[in-house]
Amino acid sequence: DAKTTQPPSMDCAEGRAANLPCNHSTISGNEYVYWYRQIHSQGPQYIIHGLKNNETNEMASLIITEDRKSSTLILPHATLRDTAVYYCIVRVGNNAGKSTFGDGTTLTVKP
Amino acid sequence: GAVVSQHPSRVICKSGTSVKIECRSLDFQATTMFWYRQFPKKSLMLMATSNEGSKATYEQGVEKDKFLINHASLTLSTLTVTSAHPEDSSFYICSARDTTPSSPLHFGNGTRLTVT
Repeated sequence: DAKTTQPPSMDCAEGRAANLPCNHSTISGNEYVYWYRQIHSQGPQYIIHGLKNNETNEMASLIITEDRKSSTLILPHATLRDTAVYYCIVRVGNNAGKSTFGDGTTLTVKP
Repeated sequence: GAVVSQHPSRVICKSGTSVKIECRSLDFQATTMFWYRQFPKKSLMLMATSNEGSKATYEQGVEKDKFLINHASLTLSTLTVTSAHPEDSSFYICSARDTTPSSPLHFGNGTRLTVT
C-alpha cells in the first residue's frame, strides 16, 4: 500500500471549514484514498473514501487532485467534537486487508 | 451503517493469566478481520489479519503463541492474550470490512487491557 504524508497537527476555529491535506505521491491506479478519525480512547471512525472523483457525504467532502497524488478532507463547519486524529490511508480496493496507519493529523477545533 | 462490536471495553488481569477479547460484526459478514494495538499517543499498529476458517496472518515481530486469534464464523473473531505480562498492557482494537470491493474498515471501540 502507498505511503501517505500528513501534517502532524492543525488548528481550526469552530464554525470554520477544516481542510486536512494528505500527500500520496506514489499511489497506484487501483488504490483508493480512505479517511478515518480517532477521538481519544475510542476506535477509529470511517469518514469517507474515493478513487479519483471528488466525494461528499454527511460528514465531509473529499477532494482528490487530478493526478491523484494528493487529497484534502474538508469538514465544512468544524465543531469542538471534530477534535481528533485524522488518518489518510491508501489501499487497493479489493485488497483483503492491511490498512497501514501513519501518524495522522491531530486536528484541534478551538472555540 | 456497519457496526463492529468489541468486548470487553476494559479489563484488568493479573500477570500469568489469559484474556480473551471478542470482535463481532453486527450487520455484515466479514471474511477478514484485523487486530491492532495502540500505545499512548501513538498510531495503530497492525498485529494480525484474521481469516475466517483459516489461520491468522501475523505481522513481523508479533508472537503468534502469545496473541492467539480465532475466526470461528463470518461475524466473530477473538484475540486471546496468553500468559499476560505488564508489557502487554495496551489498547487493542479490531476492525472488519465486508466483501464489497473498496468497502472501508469499520472499527470496534477498543479494549483497554491492564496487566498487574
